[in-house]
Amino acid sequence: DTGVSQDPRHKITKRGQNVTFRCDPISEHNRLYWYRQTLGQGPEFLTYFQNEAQLEKSRLLSDRFSAERPKGSFSTLEIQRTEQGDSAMYLCASSLGQGVTRATNEKLFFGSGTQLSVL
Amino acid sequence: AQTVTQSQPEMSVQEAETVTLSCTYDTSENNYYLFWYKQPPSRQMILVIRQEAYKQQNATENRFSVNFQKAAKSFSLKISDSQLGDTAMYFCAFMRPPLFNDYKLSFGAGTTVTVRA
Repeated sequence: DTGVSQDPRHKITKRGQNVTFRCDPISEHNRLYWYRQTLGQGPEFLTYFQNEAQLEKSRLLSDRFSAERPKGSFSTLEIQRTEQGDSAMYLCASSLGQGVTRATNEKLFFGSGTQLSVL
Repeated sequence: AQTVTQSQPEMSVQEAETVTLSCTYDTSENNYYLFWYKQPPSRQMILVIRQEAYKQQNATENRFSVNFQKAAKSFSLKISDSQLGDTAMYFCAFMRPPLFNDYKLSFGAGTTVTVRA
């Protein structure tokens, strides 16, 4: 399977615990994105990487959230001291960036997400 | 930030019929990209169709086509010959042009489409 994979698919945790999610993008893709989706809503952007550099973070990403992409391949998203409001689906996506030119083929491919439930 | 509005929370269509989903967006830019994504119960977001704002021709992918009205900032999706497998949530999304080095998607709230047998 050469798609975007995310692990785990489901995570149930108690309030105050730390959780970490992993995303493996499509192998040749240099851009990687994290989104959060709550029930009945569209995904909201959290952060994005180009190779190993984290280029943008949303204001939604509080200090309790941290994301890494150490070797420009897989990425992890950690949430510290989870709160019930963190319950959501966390989606990862990747794309093959073509630089600062007319990116006529800029398409994001999404994983199946990690569903987080904070009790 | 760009705003994407999908005013139809739910749509129902008979199998083999046609359904049209509406999407409007707000931007001051002249060039940008618009997308429709499908999210079935499996939760996998699947790209359905993509439109580049500088292209006047409406994009088409098999049974899926768009009506892109740039002046009206409208981007509707038409699903023809609806199939049971089209049952899903559909999201309209906006992306700024690459010159801004900003590749994130701004999504609408989604429209749930149910295809009835």
